[in-house]
Amino acid sequence: NAGVTQTPKFQVLKTGQSMTLQCAQDMNHNSMYWYRQDPGMGLRLIYYSASEGTTDKGEVPNGYNVSRLNKREFSLRLESAAPSQTSVYFCASSSGTGGSPLHFGNGTRLTVT
Amino acid sequence: QKEVEQDPGPLSVPEGAIVSLNCTYSNSAFQYFMWYRQYSRKGPELLMYTYSSGNKEDGRFTAQVDKSSKYISLFIRDSQPSDSATYLCAMSEGNAGNMLTFGGGTRLMVKP
Repeated sequence: NAGVTQTPKFQVLKTGQSMTLQCAQDMNHNSMYWYRQDPGMGLRLIYYSASEGTTDKGEVPNGYNVSRLNKREFSLRLESAAPSQTSVYFCASSSGTGGSPLHFGNGTRLTVT
Repeated sequence: QKEVEQDPGPLSVPEGAIVSLNCTYSNSAFQYFMWYRQYSRKGPELLMYTYSSGNKEDGRFTAQVDKSSKYISLFIRDSQPSDSATYLCAMSEGNAGNMLTFGGGTRLMVKP
């Protein structure tokens, strides 16, 4: 019962480096999401994909790009990492029907020095 | 002002106590209401899910929604040390994209 799987679990980058965070779900969900969680700021939506083949910006999209590779996989890319992107990143998925709850992975802890 | 307000705590209670966690919100279009529990260094896990106003009970947990007051609550009866976690409320209008708006979370500590 994997649910939502995120890799890697931890990552340290230097300013200006790039990396891709991977996410896969095995629940046949239509919608997938990327959030970041920072102390005092709660969970903030970066990008989401309502269905395969579509992506849309969330609340804090600057500095990020996403790819919905197929129905199962949704990746988040940092092209040129900045210290302000130090955070815990969570991927989530849902069936996509109105009001359906989100199911989260266990996060990627990213530090940018 | 944030769209969803939640007291960050921490809230410290003795084992066996009844715990009340609350959120207020400003968007009257919210129809779906959720509570998530998040243990340290883990992702949020869905605890309770309700639609519109009313109560829902699941074991020791009861969720209440009062749409007229724009106020939701989560009650935990007979609290246990294993309930120590951060509790996040979340809500949705239920429209396309199904985006949730989260509260900032309340940290709960249940002491043995």
